[in-house]
Amino acid sequence: DVKVTQSSRYLVKRTGEKVFLECVQDMDHENMFWYRQDPGLGLRLIYFSYDVKMKEKGDIPEGYSVSREKKERFSLILESASTNQTSMYLCASSSTGWDTEAFFGQGTRLTVV
Amino acid sequence: QKEVEQNSGPLSVPEGAIASLNCTYSDRGSQSFFWYRQYSGKSPELIMFIYSNGDKEDGRFTAQLNKASQYVSLLIRDSQPSDSATYLCAPAGWGKLQFGAGTQVVVTP
Repeated sequence: DVKVTQSSRYLVKRTGEKVFLECVQDMDHENMFWYRQDPGLGLRLIYFSYDVKMKEKGDIPEGYSVSREKKERFSLILESASTNQTSMYLCASSSTGWDTEAFFGQGTRLTVV
Repeated sequence: QKEVEQNSGPLSVPEGAIASLNCTYSDRGSQSFFWYRQYSGKSPELIMFIYSNGDKEDGRFTAQLNKASQYVSLLIRDSQPSDSATYLCAPAGWGKLQFGAGTQVVVTP
């Protein structure tokens, strides 16, 4: 079974904190994605990585950065958390190809207070 | 403007009826599409992939792609309460995977 694991299911952080969301996949996938999901706004792509140390901005990269030092791990970093970053964050991975299925982690519900 | 547009719903469907969901897209280069289903509180999962004009059937689900009119649709026949979920479409391709906002379907007994 493909497994995409996010480090936390729920997280509460204070405004201004640096926050790390970790995602690990065990299927040797080249592609990894970070999304945030908010009611009425759907699933919005924050960053995408297609290889180690390679990344592309998605629709809403402002306030976020990412790190991919190893193929199986993709980290999302909130440099200085703000209340408008309170959201559900979803990580996904897929293999290289135009028709490959993306597999999602269980999500991290982040609350910034 | 988002690359993919979906009516957010909710789409209320009586049990046993056909649910019809639409997704329009702006990039004429998009050749194929995914449909994902997301239950409340869960992560999305792939239910259909369509890459050619016309229909593709898988059980009670039928995906339809019309490249000339730039829309892709999903039909759910004999809708069941277990079909109540949000359905997301996304163009396939190399690289980024970007979804429409999703359509919430509510099947009422």
